[in-house]
Amino acid sequence: EIVLTQSPGTLSLSPGERATLSCRASQSVSSSYLAWYQQKPGQAPRLLIYGASSRATGIPDRFSGSGSGTDFTLTISRLEPEDFAVYYCQQYGSSRYTFGQGTKLEIK
Amino acid sequence: QITLKESGPTLVKPTQTLTLTCTFSGFSLSTSGVGVGWIRQPPGKALEWLALIYWNDDKRYSPSLKSRLTITKDTSKNQVVLTMTNMDPVDTATYYCAHSAAGTGWFDPWGQGTLVTVSS
Repeated sequence: EIVLTQSPGTLSLSPGERATLSCRASQSVSSSYLAWYQQKPGQAPRLLIYGASSRATGIPDRFSGSGSGTDFTLTISRLEPEDFAVYYCQQYGSSRYTFGQGTKLEIK
Repeated sequence: QITLKESGPTLVKPTQTLTLTCTFSGFSLSTSGVGVGWIRQPPGKALEWLALIYWNDDKRYSPSLKSRLTITKDTSKNQVVLTMTNMDPVDTATYYCAHSAAGTGWFDPWGQGTLVTVSS
């Protein structure tokens, strides 16, 4: 089973700053099957990025994804107040889905 | 517009069987390429994928929980049902269902989730 490790566990930044979140896989992941989600307290996760770098419908262009193989990154170019949340990466392979443990993005 | 909503008991006793229903609209599970999955999240913890069923009745299960899970669909009712046997307090979690398209590997959108507590 592929394990996804996200870092850092918590990221403290201010609005307007740039956020860089990492997702590292224990084995190579097809870029086509790497996704990122945003989850706010009391809400269901929302798809942000699919295929490692494609933004889902309605997602602002300050969100971008990159990476390949075992290292993937979610970047938020300029943080807005509504961006402070928990972010999860997720992969699909061999008919199995796994999620990372999440990165909490908090206001500094 | 695709929507999904989970329903089922909020409290189950240890050793009991949990049955959750996902009722959806905006798509049909008889359409080629469509799937519905279940994911859970213990309080304050990460997401965990449980199971997924496709339009053609192909089913996938988490290896660690496969022996306890059954996923079925009722196309006429636009519903997917997940059963989990031998419930334990560690199974306390919010259970989500979500739409997935075959070959995509991601879930979008998700239902609002339902909190299930396992306690005697």
